[in-house]
Amino acid sequence: KQEVTQIPAALSVPEGENLVLNCSFTDSAIYNLQWFRQDPGKGLTSLLLIQSSQREQTSGRLNASLDKSSGRSTLYIAASQPGDSATYLCAVSTGNQFYFGTGTSLTVIP
Amino acid sequence: NAGVTQTPKFRILKIGQSMTLQCAQDMNHNYMYWYRQDPGMGLKLIYYSVGAGITDKGEVPNGYNVSRSTTEDFPLRLELAAPSQTSVYFCASSPSGGANEKLFFGSGTQLSVL
Repeated sequence: KQEVTQIPAALSVPEGENLVLNCSFTDSAIYNLQWFRQDPGKGLTSLLLIQSSQREQTSGRLNASLDKSSGRSTLYIAASQPGDSATYLCAVSTGNQFYFGTGTSLTVIP
Repeated sequence: NAGVTQTPKFRILKIGQSMTLQCAQDMNHNYMYWYRQDPGMGLKLIYYSVGAGITDKGEVPNGYNVSRSTTEDFPLRLELAAPSQTSVYFCASSPSGGANEKLFFGSGTQLSVL
């Protein structure tokens, strides 16, 4: 069974700092990996999707990498802003099902 | 374009009551999912559907039922509610489960069973 782990569970950084969130998974047979943002009391919004054949994806200040062989992905956020404060979840797809990590709660301090 | 719409947003049930959580999407997506999110536990898949008339169990299906009579709607039925079903429930959809397709979520239903 696929297990997805995210470290750290919580992170607090000053505004402007670059930061890295980590995601690891146990089974490398995946279709894709997605990073999501969840604001309190809201649903999840997909930020980046990396297909299993890709190494990274970029959107604005966000860059996600995927190393399928080692079962790891990172989400890099450049020049963090208070508006980036949220919970970030990663999820791997095996086709019909997605397996989610428990998330990293990020606080960016002004 | 509303995306994925869930109703109600909040609900309190008494033990043993039943209810249906509604989910509708207007993106003509074939794949739809129901997840529950418990504090600190991540999202767990309850049921999913790959098209109208087709449903299958996820990780935690006990105590729930689903139906998919149309492409747009995917209701989740709770029979004989129990305190263990207190959770936040999310409905999600994707076009056809392809490797380059993102997952779209509704805003959730917060359910308390007392």
